[in-house]
Amino acid sequence: EVVMTQSPATLSVSPGERVALTCRASQSVRTNLAWYHQKPGQAPRLLIYGASTRATGIPARFSGSGSGTEFTLTISSLQSEDFAVYYCQQYDNWPTFGPGTKVDI
Amino acid sequence: EVQLVVSGGGLVQPGGSLRLSCAVSGFKFSDYYMSWVRQTPGRGLEWVANIKYDGSEKNYGDSVKGRFTISRDNAKNAVGLQMNSLRAEDTAVYFCAREGLSWGYYMDVWGKGTTVTVSS
Repeated sequence: EVVMTQSPATLSVSPGERVALTCRASQSVRTNLAWYHQKPGQAPRLLIYGASTRATGIPARFSGSGSGTEFTLTISSLQSEDFAVYYCQQYDNWPTFGPGTKVDI
Repeated sequence: EVQLVVSGGGLVQPGGSLRLSCAVSGFKFSDYYMSWVRQTPGRGLEWVANIKYDGSEKNYGDSVKGRFTISRDNAKNAVGLQMNSLRAEDTAVYFCAREGLSWGYYMDVWGKGTTVTVSS
């Protein structure tokens, strides 16, 4: 099983700030990585797949980078609706998710 | 509008069975793999199973293999998850999700979850 880790566990930021979230895989997953965010009481929503491709309808302030074992999700200017938990997921092998990073005010 | 509506959650005793259903609309169901994913506060998000667009291939996570069965009915635009021999650790919110069309098992649309509680 590919183990995913995310850092930091919690990030306290202000609206308008630039945010960078890190995701690491226990072995190379090439670029087979997705990012989601989840708000309380809701299902996760796909933001990025293929490590860097934005999903349909996702604003350009979200960008993904990385390959192999280290990945970054960057939010260029945090909006109020972006406060959520962010998860990475690898799908190079059977899918596994990271534990999440909570982005709060 | 793409919609995935999950039903069938509830309280069940250890060793019991439960069937979840996911009714989909707004897209050509028979073109997509479908997945079930569950979430608990302690273990986070866990992929449970998926099924190929024509039902010819089914894959399961190790923790549910041999106990859960995924199925689909393309005529009814529905996917199901039959859960047998349920354990306390199967307690979770279960999500139905559509997989993306690009290579690999990532989930591009999710339904609202349904809660399954396994307890005596």
